[in-house]
Amino acid sequence: SQQGEEDPQALSIQEGENATMNCSYKTSINNLQWYRQNSGRGLVHLILIRSNEREKHSGRLRVTLDTSKKSSSLLITASRAADTASYFCATVMNTGFQKLVFGTGTRLLVSP
Amino acid sequence: DTAVSQTPKYLVTQMGNDKSIKCEQNLGHDTMYWYKQDSKKFLKIMFSYNNKELIINETVPNRFSPKSPDKAHLNLHINSLELGDSAVYFCASSQDPLGTGSRKLFFGSGTQLSVL
Repeated sequence: SQQGEEDPQALSIQEGENATMNCSYKTSINNLQWYRQNSGRGLVHLILIRSNEREKHSGRLRVTLDTSKKSSSLLITASRAADTASYFCATVMNTGFQKLVFGTGTRLLVSP
Repeated sequence: DTAVSQTPKYLVTQMGNDKSIKCEQNLGHDTMYWYKQDSKKFLKIMFSYNNKELIINETVPNRFSPKSPDKAHLNLHINSLELGDSAVYFCASSQDPLGTGSRKLFFGSGTQLSVL
């Protein structure tokens, strides 16, 4: 299956530290996206990186993509307690309708 | 204004019952989805409709029947509920105006279904 796998499954850090989450996938992709899910809520889109891009920034977020290794990373700099959430990568294949397939998620806990 | 709204937020029911979850989006998107999130937070696509036409139908028991009366609504009806159906069901919508394949999903807040 195309499902992405993320590591670590859980990450606990202090406010101000950086958090890095990794995502690996199996098939060639059109793009890769990262989403955040707060407890009891729906997922919220954070950032999209296309297969021909290697790095993208949005505020405190930095995403990298290495298509040769079929992997991506999400870096959150200077984390805040409000960043506490689960983070999911989602991949869109090159063929067929653009179905988003989600990874297994990383639970991030940022302590004050 | 809520972009993607689904009701009810909580649904507790007995095995064997039939229930429906409703979803509406006011974003003008042409595509809507149902995803199921299990207790381990694994999110799996169930169905997708594009302009009221079913385009993705994953391996889902035929007790689950989606219905899209118009492109702003996608409802999910579940017959003969089973214990294993307990999960959080998310509705989502998307649009790809430039045809680049870069669809971003907008999610509802979820319906927590508990089958007793």
